[in-house]
Amino acid sequence: RKEVEQDPGPFNVPEGATVAFNCTYSNSASQSFFWYRQDCRKEPKLLMSVYSSGNEDGRFTAQLNRASQYISLLIRDSKLSDSATYLCVRRSGNTPLVFGKGTRLSVIA
Amino acid sequence: DVKVTQSSRYLVKRTGEKVFLECVQDMDHENMFWYRQDPGLGLRLIYFSYDVKMKEKGDIPEGYSVSREKKERFSLILESASTNQTSMYLCASRQTGDQPQHFGDGTRLSIL
Repeated sequence: RKEVEQDPGPFNVPEGATVAFNCTYSNSASQSFFWYRQDCRKEPKLLMSVYSSGNEDGRFTAQLNRASQYISLLIRDSKLSDSATYLCVRRSGNTPLVFGKGTRLSVIA
Repeated sequence: DVKVTQSSRYLVKRTGEKVFLECVQDMDHENMFWYRQDPGLGLRLIYFSYDVKMKEKGDIPEGYSVSREKKERFSLILESASTNQTSMYLCASRQTGDQPQHFGDGTRLSIL
């Protein structure tokens, strides 16, 4: 079983829509989680960290469910500029981050 | 802001050549990483380093080696380049502890 699994998509949504991605992980010892965003032919960039209590940054909300071993990313009021691939990432101890393969989002006018 | 700089954005080399990809970070980070990214395969870890002169194999080290002589610089070496090493190579660094990684712009390497 892959350590971090994501639906590759693509998710095609109209502008203004709300869209949610889930990501499951298999290592229950995982300590930290992040969402990264990667634009086409560019490097991944940190979007937000994911905290146990859930956290919000503008239109973006991240949630962590340790019991079910998944994290989620909710994007409200989607913009064209949100079109990108979203990478789910987990970390255990001082080990390299483990990246999912990403979920592709296309926001359509 | 963390700055991770990779020496080349695009590179074309020939089969059998020895290829050096350089990465420099300016934030005194202990940890540095080399990945390759291919369509459908996601990011795959080649090598990483927790400190100067230290290196650890990642998931796909075959055909690669690394060098970390100075804390700020982490070099990836393709000993004898092959066409299946054509890929996007990404360097990253991070501070120890519960910190995210910061990536360089990437090097798109083509082996002909």
